[in-house]
Amino acid sequence: QKEVEQNSGPLSVPEGAIASLNCTYSDRGSQSFFWYRQYSGKSPELIMFIYSNGDKEDGRFTAQLNKASQYVSLLIRDSQPSDSATYLCAVRLYSGGGADGLTFGKGTHLIIQP
Amino acid sequence: DGGITQSPKYLFRKEGQNVTLSCEQNLNHDAMYWYRQDPGQGLRLIYYSQIVNDFQKGDIAEGYSVSREKKESFPLTVTSAQKNPTAFYLCASTPRAGLGPQETQYFGPGTRLLVL
Repeated sequence: QKEVEQNSGPLSVPEGAIASLNCTYSDRGSQSFFWYRQYSGKSPELIMFIYSNGDKEDGRFTAQLNKASQYVSLLIRDSQPSDSATYLCAVRLYSGGGADGLTFGKGTHLIIQP
Repeated sequence: DGGITQSPKYLFRKEGQNVTLSCEQNLNHDAMYWYRQDPGQGLRLIYYSQIVNDFQKGDIAEGYSVSREKKESFPLTVTSAQKNPTAFYLCASTPRAGLGPQETQYFGPGTRLLVL
Protein backbone atom coordinates (compact mmCIF):
# COMPACT_ATOMS: atom_id res chain seq x y z
CA GLN A 1 0.00 0.00 0.00
CA LYS A 2 1.53 3.24 -1.14
CA GLU A 3 1.09 6.01 1.42
CA VAL A 4 2.13 9.62 1.50
CA GLU A 5 1.75 11.47 4.78
CA GLN A 6 1.60 15.20 5.38
CA ASN A 7 0.63 17.29 8.37
CA SER A 8 -2.70 18.83 7.40
CA GLY A 9 -2.02 22.07 9.30
CA PRO A 10 -2.85 24.83 9.14
CA LEU A 11 0.76 25.93 9.30
CA SER A 12 0.94 29.63 10.09
CA VAL A 13 4.12 31.53 9.18
CA PRO A 14 4.86 35.27 9.40
CA GLU A 15 5.48 37.13 6.18
CA GLY A 16 9.17 37.12 5.25
CA ALA A 17 9.95 34.00 7.29
CA ILE A 18 10.84 30.50 6.03
CA ALA A 19 7.97 28.05 5.66
CA SER A 20 8.92 24.39 6.03
CA LEU A 21 6.61 21.71 4.69
CA ASN A 22 7.24 18.03 5.31
CA CYS A 23 6.20 14.76 3.72
CA THR A 24 6.96 11.10 4.38
CA TYR A 25 6.29 8.16 2.10
CA SER A 26 6.01 4.44 2.68
CA ASP A 27 7.20 2.80 -0.53
CA ARG A 28 10.99 2.60 -0.81
CA GLY A 29 10.59 2.05 -4.55
CA SER A 30 9.39 5.62 -5.01
CA GLN A 31 11.69 7.44 -7.39
CA SER A 32 10.25 10.88 -8.10
CA PHE A 33 8.85 13.41 -5.69
CA PHE A 34 6.69 16.39 -6.46
CA TRP A 35 5.38 19.48 -4.72
CA TYR A 36 2.20 21.07 -6.01
CA ARG A 37 0.54 24.25 -4.83
CA GLN A 38 -3.26 24.35 -4.86
CA TYR A 39 -5.29 27.47 -4.24
CA SER A 40 -8.84 27.01 -3.00
CA GLY A 41 -11.11 25.89 -5.83
CA LYS A 42 -8.27 25.62 -8.33
CA SER A 43 -6.24 22.79 -9.80
CA PRO A 44 -2.74 21.88 -8.54
CA GLU A 45 0.22 23.80 -9.94
CA LEU A 46 3.63 22.10 -10.10
CA ILE A 47 6.16 23.93 -7.91
CA MET A 48 9.12 21.57 -7.91
CA PHE A 49 10.12 17.97 -8.44
CA ILE A 50 13.17 16.11 -7.19
CA TYR A 51 14.54 12.61 -7.69
CA SER A 52 18.08 12.68 -6.30
CA ASN A 53 19.05 12.83 -2.65
CA GLY A 54 19.95 16.28 -1.45
CA ASP A 55 18.66 19.76 -2.16
CA LYS A 56 17.23 21.33 -5.28
CA GLU A 57 16.70 25.08 -5.39
CA ASP A 58 14.46 27.15 -7.66
CA GLY A 59 14.06 30.78 -6.71
CA ARG A 60 12.52 31.02 -3.25
CA PHE A 61 11.78 27.29 -3.18
CA THR A 62 14.08 24.46 -2.06
CA ALA A 63 13.11 20.82 -2.18
CA GLN A 64 15.01 18.38 0.01
CA LEU A 65 15.02 14.60 -0.42
CA ASN A 66 16.32 11.95 1.94
CA LYS A 67 15.54 8.51 0.53
CA ALA A 68 17.08 6.66 3.48
CA SER A 69 14.63 8.36 5.82
CA GLN A 70 11.82 8.34 3.20
CA TYR A 71 11.39 12.03 3.73
CA VAL A 72 10.92 14.97 1.40
CA SER A 73 10.47 18.61 2.33
CA LEU A 74 9.79 21.97 0.74
CA LEU A 75 11.23 25.21 2.07
CA ILE A 76 9.77 28.54 1.03
CA ARG A 77 12.05 31.49 1.78
CA ASP A 78 10.84 35.06 2.20
CA SER A 79 7.24 33.84 2.47
CA GLN A 80 4.62 36.06 0.87
CA PRO A 81 0.86 36.24 1.48
CA SER A 82 0.42 34.89 -2.07
CA ASP A 83 2.11 31.67 -0.90
CA SER A 84 -0.93 30.94 1.26
CA ALA A 85 -2.37 27.75 -0.24
CA THR A 86 -2.51 24.00 0.23
CA TYR A 87 0.72 22.23 -0.70
CA LEU A 88 0.41 18.70 -2.00
CA CYS A 89 3.26 16.21 -1.85
CA ALA A 90 3.19 13.45 -4.47
CA VAL A 91 5.41 10.48 -5.24
CA ARG A 92 5.81 8.22 -8.23
CA LEU A 93 6.96 4.64 -8.50
CA TYR A 94 8.72 4.18 -11.79
CA SER A 95 7.71 0.80 -13.12
CA GLY A 96 10.00 0.89 -16.15
CA GLY A 97 7.11 1.31 -18.53
CA GLY A 98 7.02 4.96 -17.73
CA ALA A 99 4.32 7.54 -17.12
CA ASP A 100 2.83 5.97 -14.00
CA GLY A 101 0.36 7.93 -11.96
CA LEU A 102 1.23 9.80 -8.79
CA THR A 103 0.27 9.03 -5.20
CA PHE A 104 -0.68 12.16 -3.30
CA GLY A 105 -0.73 13.19 0.32
CA LYS A 106 -3.74 15.05 1.65
CA GLY A 107 -1.88 18.34 1.65
CA THR A 108 -0.70 20.94 4.16
CA HIS A 109 -2.64 24.18 4.44
CA LEU A 110 -0.14 27.05 4.68
CA ILE A 111 -1.12 30.50 5.90
CA ILE A 112 1.29 33.42 5.56
CA GLN A 113 0.43 36.13 8.06
CA PRO A 114 1.05 39.72 6.82
CA ASP B 1 -2.90 29.14 -26.84
CA GLY B 2 -1.55 25.81 -25.60
CA GLY B 3 -2.58 23.90 -22.55
CA ILE B 4 -4.83 21.31 -21.00
CA THR B 5 -8.52 22.09 -21.19
CA GLN B 6 -11.35 20.43 -19.33
CA SER B 7 -15.03 20.90 -19.90
CA PRO B 8 -17.48 21.63 -18.54
CA LYS B 9 -16.32 23.52 -15.46
CA TYR B 10 -19.40 22.32 -13.56
CA LEU B 11 -21.48 19.25 -14.35
CA PHE B 12 -24.66 18.01 -12.76
CA ARG B 13 -25.64 14.37 -12.82
CA LYS B 14 -29.00 12.86 -12.13
CA GLU B 15 -29.39 9.49 -10.44
CA GLY B 16 -28.72 6.61 -12.82
CA GLN B 17 -27.21 8.84 -15.49
CA ASN B 18 -23.87 8.43 -17.21
CA VAL B 19 -21.90 11.62 -17.79
CA THR B 20 -18.71 12.27 -19.75
CA LEU B 21 -16.00 14.72 -18.77
CA SER B 22 -13.81 16.11 -21.52
CA CYS B 23 -10.03 16.52 -21.37
CA GLU B 24 -8.06 17.88 -24.33
CA GLN B 25 -4.41 18.91 -24.64
CA ASN B 26 -2.60 20.52 -27.54
CA LEU B 27 0.85 20.16 -25.98
CA ASN B 28 1.68 16.92 -27.79
CA HIS B 29 2.03 15.24 -24.41
CA ASP B 30 2.34 11.47 -24.43
CA ALA B 31 0.55 10.35 -21.30
CA MET B 32 -2.72 11.49 -19.77
CA TYR B 33 -4.34 10.86 -16.40
CA TRP B 34 -7.57 11.26 -14.49
CA TYR B 35 -7.67 11.97 -10.77
CA ARG B 36 -10.46 12.57 -8.33
CA GLN B 37 -10.24 14.93 -5.36
CA ASP B 38 -12.71 14.92 -2.47
CA PRO B 39 -12.91 17.85 0.00
CA GLY B 40 -9.90 17.93 2.32
CA GLN B 41 -8.36 14.97 0.56
CA GLY B 42 -5.47 14.35 -1.75
CA LEU B 43 -5.88 13.29 -5.35
CA ARG B 44 -6.60 9.66 -6.19
CA LEU B 45 -5.76 8.10 -9.54
CA ILE B 46 -8.70 6.80 -11.59
CA TYR B 47 -7.20 5.85 -14.98
CA TYR B 48 -4.16 6.68 -17.03
CA SER B 49 -2.98 6.24 -20.60
CA GLN B 50 0.59 6.17 -21.86
CA ILE B 51 -0.21 5.84 -25.58
CA VAL B 52 -3.17 5.98 -27.92
CA ASN B 53 -5.59 3.05 -27.69
CA ASP B 54 -4.11 1.87 -24.40
CA PHE B 55 -5.00 2.71 -20.80
CA GLN B 56 -4.59 1.27 -17.30
CA LYS B 57 -6.73 1.30 -14.19
CA GLY B 58 -5.62 3.40 -11.28
CA ASP B 59 -6.49 2.98 -7.62
CA ILE B 60 -10.22 3.78 -7.89
CA ALA B 61 -11.33 2.76 -11.40
CA GLU B 62 -14.62 1.12 -10.41
CA GLY B 63 -17.61 3.00 -11.84
CA TYR B 64 -15.52 4.87 -14.41
CA SER B 65 -14.50 4.27 -18.01
CA VAL B 66 -12.12 6.00 -20.42
CA SER B 67 -10.99 5.96 -24.03
CA ARG B 68 -7.86 7.22 -25.78
CA GLU B 69 -8.63 7.26 -29.49
CA LYS B 70 -6.56 10.36 -30.13
CA LYS B 71 -3.33 11.52 -28.52
CA GLU B 72 -4.81 14.86 -27.55
CA SER B 73 -8.05 13.57 -25.98
CA PHE B 74 -8.79 11.43 -22.92
CA PRO B 75 -12.49 11.59 -21.95
CA LEU B 76 -13.73 10.13 -18.68
CA THR B 77 -17.22 8.64 -18.31
CA VAL B 78 -18.72 8.49 -14.84
CA THR B 79 -21.21 5.64 -14.98
CA SER B 80 -24.29 5.01 -12.87
CA ALA B 81 -22.26 2.31 -11.09
CA GLN B 82 -20.25 5.05 -9.37
CA LYS B 83 -22.36 5.57 -6.26
CA ASN B 84 -20.59 8.60 -4.87
CA PRO B 85 -19.47 10.65 -7.87
CA THR B 86 -19.56 14.12 -6.32
CA ALA B 87 -15.96 15.36 -6.48
CA PHE B 88 -13.46 17.59 -8.26
CA TYR B 89 -12.12 15.74 -11.33
CA LEU B 90 -8.67 16.63 -12.57
CA CYS B 91 -7.04 15.66 -15.84
CA ALA B 92 -3.27 15.74 -16.15
CA SER B 93 -0.64 15.00 -18.77
CA THR B 94 3.04 14.15 -18.98
CA PRO B 95 5.17 15.68 -21.73
CA ARG B 96 7.08 12.58 -22.64
CA ALA B 97 6.72 9.09 -21.27
CA GLY B 98 9.85 7.03 -20.75
CA LEU B 99 12.02 9.71 -19.16
CA GLY B 100 11.97 7.82 -15.90
CA PRO B 101 12.26 9.86 -12.71
CA GLN B 102 12.38 13.10 -14.68
CA GLU B 103 8.82 12.78 -15.94
CA THR B 104 6.65 15.62 -14.71
CA GLN B 105 2.88 15.96 -14.66
CA TYR B 106 0.72 19.03 -15.28
CA PHE B 107 -2.95 19.55 -14.49
CA GLY B 108 -5.92 20.98 -16.30
CA PRO B 109 -8.36 23.36 -14.55
CA GLY B 110 -10.72 20.60 -13.40
CA THR B 111 -14.43 19.77 -13.56
CA ARG B 112 -16.70 19.78 -10.52
CA LEU B 113 -19.32 17.04 -10.69
CA LEU B 114 -22.41 17.34 -8.52
CA VAL B 115 -25.23 14.87 -8.11
CA LEU B 116 -28.78 16.24 -8.20
